[in-house]
Amino acid sequence: EIVLTQSPGTLSLSPGERATLSCRASQSVSSRYLAWYHQKPGQAPRLLIYAASSRATGIPDRFSGSGSGTDFTLTISRLEPEDFAVYYCQQYGSSPRTFGQGTKVEIK
Amino acid sequence: QVQLQQWGAGLLKPSETLSLTCAVYGGSFSGYYWNWIRQPPGKGLEWIGEINHSGSTAYNPSLNSRVTLSVDTSKNQFSLKLSSVNAADTAVYYCARTAGLGSEPIDYWGQGTLVTVSS
Repeated sequence: EIVLTQSPGTLSLSPGERATLSCRASQSVSSRYLAWYHQKPGQAPRLLIYAASSRATGIPDRFSGSGSGTDFTLTISRLEPEDFAVYYCQQYGSSPRTFGQGTKVEIK
Repeated sequence: QVQLQQWGAGLLKPSETLSLTCAVYGGSFSGYYWNWIRQPPGKGLEWIGEINHSGSTAYNPSLNSRVTLSVDTSKNQFSLKLSSVNAADTAVYYCARTAGLGSEPIDYWGQGTLVTVSS
């Protein structure tokens, strides 16, 4: 099983600031099979990024993904009020599909 | 517009069997994998398993012996059964669609069902 470790656990930032979230895998993950989701309280997660760097339909370009091998990054260039949420990475290239434990982006 | 609508019992006693069903509206049922994912209160996401329209399945080994997924293509529905539940199975359970039959991300989610296991 591939274990995904996200850091930091919590990120306290102000609207307009840049957010950088990390996802590290216990073994190499093809960049084709790494996704990012965000989840707001009481809602299901929503797909933001797939294949490490491709934005899902309707996702604004302030969200970008990068990385390869065991280290992946989600960057939000300028935080909007609706971006404060919990972010999860997921690998879907091998079974079982696994998620990171999440990074909470909160308003400072 | 694809919609996943799920339902099932929300309160179970220890040792009972959890049973949830998810109906798919507005899109093709074949050509995708259909997933169950759960989230304990205040915690992260755990993938339970997936099934396609022909009944091919994959399960998380951590739950493998207790999980059964099934599909009813005549109704565009798929179901989850989890046997011998205990308090650790208390979670919001989501049904979800994988965006294809290969290794794809999850692109649509159900609304979630809170299942509580308590004596």
